[in-house]
Amino acid sequence: ELKVEQNPLFLSMQEGKNYTIYCNYSTTSDRLYWYRQDPGKSLESLFVLLSNGAVKQEGRLMASLDTKARLSTLHITAAVHDLSATYFCAVKSPYSGNQFYFGTGTSLTVIP
Amino acid sequence: DGGITQSPKYLFRKEGQNVTLSCEQNLNHDAMYWYRQDPGQGLRLIYYSQIVNDFQKGDIAEGYSVSREKKESFPLTVTSAQKNPTAFYLCASSTLDGTLNTEAFFGQGTRLTVV
Repeated sequence: ELKVEQNPLFLSMQEGKNYTIYCNYSTTSDRLYWYRQDPGKSLESLFVLLSNGAVKQEGRLMASLDTKARLSTLHITAAVHDLSATYFCAVKSPYSGNQFYFGTGTSLTVIP
Repeated sequence: DGGITQSPKYLFRKEGQNVTLSCEQNLNHDAMYWYRQDPGQGLRLIYYSQIVNDFQKGDIAEGYSVSREKKESFPLTVTSAQKNPTAFYLCASSTLDGTLNTEAFFGQGTRLTVV
């Protein structure tokens, strides 16, 4: 079974600071997804990474994928309060059917 | 607008009662999924379907049932056998591998509470 691990699980950071969330997975895959979830809400797609070395950026968030290391990162630059949410990574592997395997989530709180 | 719609948004269930959560999509996606999320937790897969009239159990299928009679619809029934059904239920859909738009799109969720 494909395992997806995120760290940290909880992250409290001050506005203006930078930080990185890590997503490790256990099986070969070249499809990695990042989602955002606000409290009480559904999941919103942030990034789709479909190849080794893929890098995508949107505002203060940048995601990258290293398929050889089985690692994706979500980098936050100069955090603002609006980024407070839970962030999930998900992996889909051709060796594990057509399922999405989700990480445990990282709860981010940005403190003014 | 294309999207995925879940209903109802809130649902209350008495003990011993079966309830059905609706999920409809007009994205022409082949695959549909049901997830359960408990407070402060991640997503756990209940059932998924890749084609009409076929579905597979996920990690926590016990006490749940699904059907896929139409491509657009994937209802989830929470049966009385599910002893702790209070949770947030999320339905999602996606294309199958081979296209670029392979991400999962989520409905707005149904919050189920046992009373």
